[in-house]
Amino acid sequence: DADVTQTPRNRITKTGKRIMLECSQTKGHDRMYWYRQDPGLGLRLIYYSFDVKDINKGEISDGYSVSRQAQAKFSLSLESAIPNQTALYFCATSDPHGTGKETQYFGPGTRLLVL
Amino acid sequence: KQEVTQIPAALSVPEGENLVLNCSFTDSAIYNLQWFRQDPGKGLTSLLLIQSSQREQTSGRLNASLDKSSGRSTLYIAASQPGDSATYLCAVRPGTDKLIFGTGTRLQVFP
Repeated sequence: DADVTQTPRNRITKTGKRIMLECSQTKGHDRMYWYRQDPGLGLRLIYYSFDVKDINKGEISDGYSVSRQAQAKFSLSLESAIPNQTALYFCATSDPHGTGKETQYFGPGTRLLVL
Repeated sequence: KQEVTQIPAALSVPEGENLVLNCSFTDSAIYNLQWFRQDPGKGLTSLLLIQSSQREQTSGRLNASLDKSSGRSTLYIAASQPGDSATYLCAVRPGTDKLIFGTGTRLQVFP
């Protein structure tokens, strides 16, 4: 089984609808992240959480909200979806060791289309 | 503001060639630099991580170098194979746990 899973994998929605993307991990990591990827722009950080009680805005948080329900679960919500939120969304986790060797582990992505 | 650029954006080569992918960043104050591989329908997989105090890392046919002072990293792929076809992303960690990604190089290796 995959260590980081995302649901749904694909989603089509209409402008104005509220949708939630979910991420679960079995790696036991405290840190979780949400990114979006657009063609030609690379991945950009939306929100991140260093533990269950910690939520931080990333580079492009406007129009999004998150919930860290448990160590293993981190959900991303679009309160009122708009077409320019059409993108590929990735969840990631990391486990800080303080050695400079820690990396992030990514889920398979959710492809979202907002009409 | 840290910016990460990758050149070329796309590359198509015959099998067996040695390849160099380039990554440049504007702020040399980084904690580490990573190279990731992205396959369609799958997430990103970390290939190599170079700490700021290191000059290079090797894994199999892959070698990544880091020149912090000039803001450059290269990923060298030896004897390319069709299975190497993917998008390659570099990312810098500017000192916090966040990563700043480049725009990627889409590689196609044909038989």
